[in-house]
Amino acid sequence: AQSVAQPEDQVNVAEGNPLTVKCTYSVSGNPYLFWYVQYPNRGLQFLLKYITGDNLVKGSYGFEAEFNKSQTSFHLKKPSALVSDSALYFCAVRDDTGFQKLVFGTGTRLLVSP
Amino acid sequence: DAGVIQSPRHEVTEMGQEVTLRCKPISGHDYLFWYRQTMMRGLELLIYFNNNVPIDDSGMPEDRFSAKMPNASFSTLKIQPSEPRDSAVYFCASKGSGATSTDTQYFGPGTRLTVL
Repeated sequence: AQSVAQPEDQVNVAEGNPLTVKCTYSVSGNPYLFWYVQYPNRGLQFLLKYITGDNLVKGSYGFEAEFNKSQTSFHLKKPSALVSDSALYFCAVRDDTGFQKLVFGTGTRLLVSP
Repeated sequence: DAGVIQSPRHEVTEMGQEVTLRCKPISGHDYLFWYRQTMMRGLELLIYFNNNVPIDDSGMPEDRFSAKMPNASFSTLKIQPSEPRDSAVYFCASKGSGATSTDTQYFGPGTRLTVL
């Protein structure tokens, strides 16, 4: 069975500094990896995904993530944080069998201070 | 595209009452997912459909929960009778498949359910 770990409940960063939100996964076979963001009282918004190809994936709002197969990680990054990036971030994984169940991590709250 | 549409956005009911949550997926999407989000358990998949057929309902908590998808543009999640522990935010998501699909689930805004 697949699983996702987001080891940090909260990440604090100053505006303009780079940010990293960590994610590690476990899955049988090849992983399909996703990052979503949730703003207060809103649904989850898709940021980016890795299915195959280049290990560095670029997504919405200047976010990117790097797939590292040996470390089974898919950390979310942004070179320069904005206050408006403050939100709850979820990493998710599914396998490549065609079964569509997406397993989510517990979420990491990102707080960007002015 | 209007995205995934859910109604109602908020529902407050009393214990024992029947609750029906509604979802309209993105047009052309053939997968539909129901999730529940709580502080204690995070985001859980309850059930998902493919071409209106339930594929995996292993996440449905108990027999009080049921879901239907009578056609490609509408799904319901029903709780009967409701209990206070059902209080949560319920999300619907949809996904396309095939060569032109992005293979990504898109979420609706959610229904916040409070059972008193």
